[in-house]
This record gives sequence, C-alpha cells and structure tokens, in this order.
Amino acid sequence: NAGVTQTPKFQVLKTGQSMTLQCAQDMNHEYMSWYRQDPGMGLRLIHYSVGAGITDQGEVPNGYNVSRSTTEDFPLRLLSAAPSQTSVYFCASSLAATNEKLFFGSGTQLSVL
Amino acid sequence: SQELEQSPQSLIVQEGKNLTINCTSSKTLYGLYWYKQKYGEGLIFLMMLQKGGEEKSHEKITAKLDEKKQQSSLHITASQPSHAGIYLCGADISGGSNYKLTFGKGTLLTVNP
Repeated sequence: NAGVTQTPKFQVLKTGQSMTLQCAQDMNHEYMSWYRQDPGMGLRLIHYSVGAGITDQGEVPNGYNVSRSTTEDFPLRLLSAAPSQTSVYFCASSLAATNEKLFFGSGTQLSVL
Repeated sequence: SQELEQSPQSLIVQEGKNLTINCTSSKTLYGLYWYKQKYGEGLIFLMMLQKGGEEKSHEKITAKLDEKKQQSSLHITASQPSHAGIYLCGADISGGSNYKLTFGKGTLLTVNP
C-alpha cells in the first residue's frame, strides 16, 4: 500500500517556467489537498478537492492550478514560476472531507531561481 | 494574524523529561489534529480530538482538548530521542469539515541524550 505518492522529490525551475507536481493516492480517498510549507509560515492550503471533478481554492491559490479528473490523481500546476513559489509542497488526502485524518505525501522541494 | 498559535516555538529537553506543547485557536474548534514531522519528511498523524474534554493517549504521548479555552495540549512523558521532530497542530475552524484544515507553525522539539 503506497499511500500518497508525490513526484518529483526535488525540482529547480527558472522564473517563468511552468511545471506540474504530481500527487497520487491508492486509498480511494475522496478528499485531496495541496499545502505549501515555508519557514515561519507553517502549512498553508493552496487548493483542495472533495471528489473527482470538484476543486476549490484554499488560502494561497494564486499562481497555481489544479484539476481532479480521477479519484487517484490531483496534480498541481505552476503556470509561470516565480521565486516566491520556492517552497516545500505537500499533497494530502483523506477518506472523506469531514472528521477524517489527513495522510501526507513526503513532499516536493521546489526552488525557483 | 495566526489563527492557530503554538507554544513554545522550540523546546530542548533532556532525555527522560516530560514536556507540554500547546495549541490555541482564535476561532471555534470543530476538530483538532496533532501531527509530527521529521526533517525532510511528510507529516505523520498522531491523534485527532473532536469533543471538548476529550483526551487520547498513544504510548507516551497524551493530547487533550479544552473546547472552552479553544486550546489543545500535547504532553510527552519521559521523552526519548525518537520523540524529536516538529509537532504541528491542525484544526478545522471553518465550521465542521476538513475542507480547509488550518495548521499552526509548529514546535521544534530537540531531545538530548
């Protein structure tokens, strides 16, 4: 049972480049979300999804796009990378959107030069 | 302002000592989660508290929820080097769902042998 799998683990981008962070879960979880973790800021919610075909914005959605075409996958797209998007990104999922613990991936460390 | 305040920000203890980490919310808590993070890794779920007065224990870690004070505490008894890491509290302050689980900035725990 792989749980929540994030790829890549590390990525370096130049300003203006685009890329997609991948997130997949094999637990048939309905709820999936993306957080970014920055020093002194804690974890901040970027986008979330309560099921296939349904996504919504979190606290810091600007500069990011998501889609949920399947239950298993929830990719995060950076449209035009900026140095302010340098961060560690975590994908998390739970069985349902209510009163269920979140399972986290191991993170993607992104640097934008 | 931070909706979930954790204290202390960091803590250094000698192996065998007890310690307490606090998490205080500025809004009504609908559920409180404790996670542990080791450097460079994802978050590991520790405990979930949902009702005022609820207390849960796992091995040497006990968490309590004081709904009136909108506060939770995490207590570690007889600390060990394996307890070292970052402890984060997360809470549903959006009104009863996990949709926008908010996290504190974390408490860095160092346990000296």
